[in-house]
Amino acid sequence: EAGVAQSPRYKIIEKRQSVAFWCNPISGHATLYWYQQILGQGPKLLIQFQNNGVVDDSQLPKDRFSAERLKGVDSTLKIQPAKLEDSAVYLCASSDSEGGDYIQYFGAGTRLSVL
Amino acid sequence: GENVEQHPSTLSVQEGDSAVIKCTYSDSASNYFPWYKQELGKGPQLIIDIRSNVGEKKDQRIAVTLNKTAKHFSLHITETQPEDSAVYFCAVRSSNTGKLIFGQGTTLQVKP
Repeated sequence: EAGVAQSPRYKIIEKRQSVAFWCNPISGHATLYWYQQILGQGPKLLIQFQNNGVVDDSQLPKDRFSAERLKGVDSTLKIQPAKLEDSAVYLCASSDSEGGDYIQYFGAGTRLSVL
Repeated sequence: GENVEQHPSTLSVQEGDSAVIKCTYSDSASNYFPWYKQELGKGPQLIIDIRSNVGEKKDQRIAVTLNKTAKHFSLHITETQPEDSAVYFCAVRSSNTGKLIFGQGTTLQVKP
C-alpha cells in the first residue's frame, strides 16, 4: 500500500513570496490533515478535511494560509505572503476515520525555509 | 484546551538498557494515546498506541502503560538498539474535538 505522498521535499523562498505544497493521501482515506512542525517541537494541526469539507481550521492563520481539497482526494496548502516564522516542516497525514480508525499516517513532509 | 507535557526532552542510554518516556495530559475526555517515532528527514511513524479502556499494551520490545486517573502514560523500550535512536512523540486525542495534540518530543540516543 502506498503511503502519504508530499511534494516538494524542500523549498527555499524569500519573505513575502508565496509557496504551495501538495499532498496525496493513502487511497481511500477520507480524512486529511496538514500539520506545521517547527524545529524542536511536536506537530501542530493547521487544518483537517473530511472528504472535501473543512472540519477544523481553528489554528490556520487565515490571513496568509489557505488550503483546499477540491475532489476529496489530494490537497494543497498555500502560504501567501510568507514570513520568516513560517520556516518549518509541513506534514500531511491521512486516516480512515470513516472506518473508526484513529491512526494517522504521515508523509515525509516539506521543509520550508523562509529567508 | 488540551495540554500535553512530555519528559525528558533528551535521553541517552547504553545499548541493551531500557528507556522510559512519560507524558501527562489535562483533558479527561481524551480517549486515544499514540506514540510516534520520527527519524531525521522523515515523517512521524506510529510505533504503538493505546485506547482509554486498556491499561497496558505490549509489542515485542515496546510497551505503553496508561493511568487514566493520574492522566499520564508512558512508553517503555527494552533492550534498546542503536536503530532506536530517534525523536519520540506522544500524542493525545480528545473525544470532544477529535484532534491529536502532540507532546514536545524526546530525543533518544542509544550508544553502542
